[in-house]
Amino acid sequence: AQSVTQLGSHVSVSEGALVLLRCNYSSSVPPYLFWYVQYPNQGLQLLLKYTTGATLVKGINGFEAEFKKSETSFHLTKPSAHMSDAAEYFCAVSSPRDQKVTFGTGTKLQVIP
Amino acid sequence: ETGVTQSPTHLIKTRGQQVTLRCSSQSGHNTVSWYQQALGQGPQFIFQYYREEENGRGNFPPRFSGLQFPNYSSELNVNALELDDSALYLCASSSVHNEQFFGPGTRLTVL
Repeated sequence: AQSVTQLGSHVSVSEGALVLLRCNYSSSVPPYLFWYVQYPNQGLQLLLKYTTGATLVKGINGFEAEFKKSETSFHLTKPSAHMSDAAEYFCAVSSPRDQKVTFGTGTKLQVIP
Repeated sequence: ETGVTQSPTHLIKTRGQQVTLRCSSQSGHNTVSWYQQALGQGPQFIFQYYREEENGRGNFPPRFSGLQFPNYSSELNVNALELDDSALYLCASSSVHNEQFFGPGTRLTVL
């Protein structure tokens, strides 16, 4: 079984400040890990993914995440927040053996001008 | 390249009715997954179709059923609607490594 825990349902940062959204996962097999963003009344857009290889993954809009197996974490970061980053972010896990993708409960990011 | 599309955008039904939601997958994708996203929650996996066969199911009762057609488009059917079925229903088509491309969703309200 797989699961995802996102720490903090709401995160507020000032414009220009570091964004850090936390995600821990549980998986009995090597995981595939994803971050998605959802704007109000829209579907989910993939920000980045980790499958194999390099553990630091760069995505769209300046976001990146690092897979840390020892900590079972896949935290999302961005050096400088923009107003347009305000949205809800979902961490998700799956595996090569299981087509099912399990999502976390989401973190709403607020960017303060 | 056409993305994932869903119809209708919004739907209002009453308890006990039946509903059919539709999804067209992204060009070249043969796998479609359906998710239910209740207000304030993450998407919950309903089921997945691969080449017209169900390929995995989440913790949803049998009144949630689906179909996939030869062109890989898909339908989600829900019978005997309940108030708790009110949610955003998301369809996603998959590429390699389970990367899911999502449609904009159908907002279902059950009164």
